[in-house]
Amino acid sequence: KQEVTQIPAALSVPEGENLVLNCSFTDSAIYNLQWFRQDPGKGLTSLLLIQSSQREQTSGRLNASLDKSSGRSTLYIAASQPGDSATYLCAVRAGGLTNTGNQFYFGTGTSLTVIP
Amino acid sequence: DAGVIQSPRHEVTEMGQEVTLRCKPISGHNSLFWYRQTMMRGLELLIYFNNNVPIDDSGMPEDRFSAKMPNASFSTLKIQPSEPRDSAVYFCASSSGAPTGELFFGEGSRLTVL
Repeated sequence: KQEVTQIPAALSVPEGENLVLNCSFTDSAIYNLQWFRQDPGKGLTSLLLIQSSQREQTSGRLNASLDKSSGRSTLYIAASQPGDSATYLCAVRAGGLTNTGNQFYFGTGTSLTVIP
Repeated sequence: DAGVIQSPRHEVTEMGQEVTLRCKPISGHNSLFWYRQTMMRGLELLIYFNNNVPIDDSGMPEDRFSAKMPNASFSTLKIQPSEPRDSAVYFCASSSGAPTGELFFGEGSRLTVL
């Protein structure tokens, strides 16, 4: 079964710093990987989607990379701001032809605090 | 597009009552997922549908939980009878173009069972 891990569970940085969030997964047979942001009491907002054939995606100050062979993805946030404070989750969409072939597997998230 | 729409946003009920949560996926999406989120257990997949057909319901906690998708634009998650341990935020999400489509979440339904 696919397992997704995010380390660290919590991260606190001063405003303006560049930072990297990590996501690892155990089975490289994935269709895609997605990064989400969740603010307290809110739903999950999609940030970036990387298809299995891609190496990275960029949106504004965010850059996500994918290395399928090593089972790793990183989310790079440049010039962090207090408004970036939230929980960040990654999810992989399982490949294969089984019943669970289209399921998404989520990590437990990294809680980010950007200190003004 | 209006996004994934869930109702109610908040529900407070007493133990033993029936609870029905509703979801309207994004038009054109053919996969729909129900998740439950708690502080203790994080985000858990309860059930998902492809083209209105339940594919994997192994995450449904017990027979008190049931989910239906009578058509492509509507799904329900029912708990009967409800118990205090069912208190959580229930999310509905949908995606298109399986298997490569992007997943979009609703705002969630916060359920409190007293």
